[in-house]
Amino acid sequence: QQQVKQSPQSLIVQKGGISIINCAYENTAFDYFPWYQQFPGKGPALLIAIRPDVSEKKEGRFTISFNKSAKQFSLHIMDSQPGDSATYFCAAGGSQGNLIFGKGTKLSVKP
Amino acid sequence: DAGVIQSPRHEVTEMGQEVTLRCKPISGHNSLFWYRQTMMRGLELLIYFNNNVPIDDSGMPEDRFSAKMPNASFSTLKIQPSEPRDSAVYFCASSLSGTSFGYTFGSGTRLTVV
Repeated sequence: QQQVKQSPQSLIVQKGGISIINCAYENTAFDYFPWYQQFPGKGPALLIAIRPDVSEKKEGRFTISFNKSAKQFSLHIMDSQPGDSATYFCAAGGSQGNLIFGKGTKLSVKP
Repeated sequence: DAGVIQSPRHEVTEMGQEVTLRCKPISGHNSLFWYRQTMMRGLELLIYFNNNVPIDDSGMPEDRFSAKMPNASFSTLKIQPSEPRDSAVYFCASSLSGTSFGYTFGSGTRLTVV
């Protein structure tokens, strides 16, 4: 019940394309769903987050779509750029304060 | 703010040796988390503290691992004795107490046990 399942494991997208990463969770007590971006040699950094009371949140080229009934959420990166090449982690958190992370998606954006 | 500070950045040690990883959380954050990252398992939560008290250590792999938080500005993760399978990147993160919000990671310690 504590798992967060993330797919795909890796993704190759052409510059200017749309990158889509999906996550699913099981525990309905989760009420905070962030996405983290990690570059090689760095720690994960918060990219964007959503609460379950909204179905979508957009920040620049990054959008989270949230489907509460399906217990799924996804990250969309519009107009993907080579600088977006990184590993992306979805996560889910609850009242206890700790985050459960997905296994990560390695995104490569080809010029 | 300097962010979450971890040391050392890299550690190479021989099997059987004791290893100590250090973390300084963001000032004002009173929750602290230790994660281990490997290709096979991704980011695994090892242990977390609220107000210097260990809350959940169920992720600590075995008795060889121990963590302490003697005060609000310092935590250690110790492995004794170390084994090659402990090789990984260890991250410390901190946040405001009792919340996942503002969860900030350090740059990690890359541990290699030979």
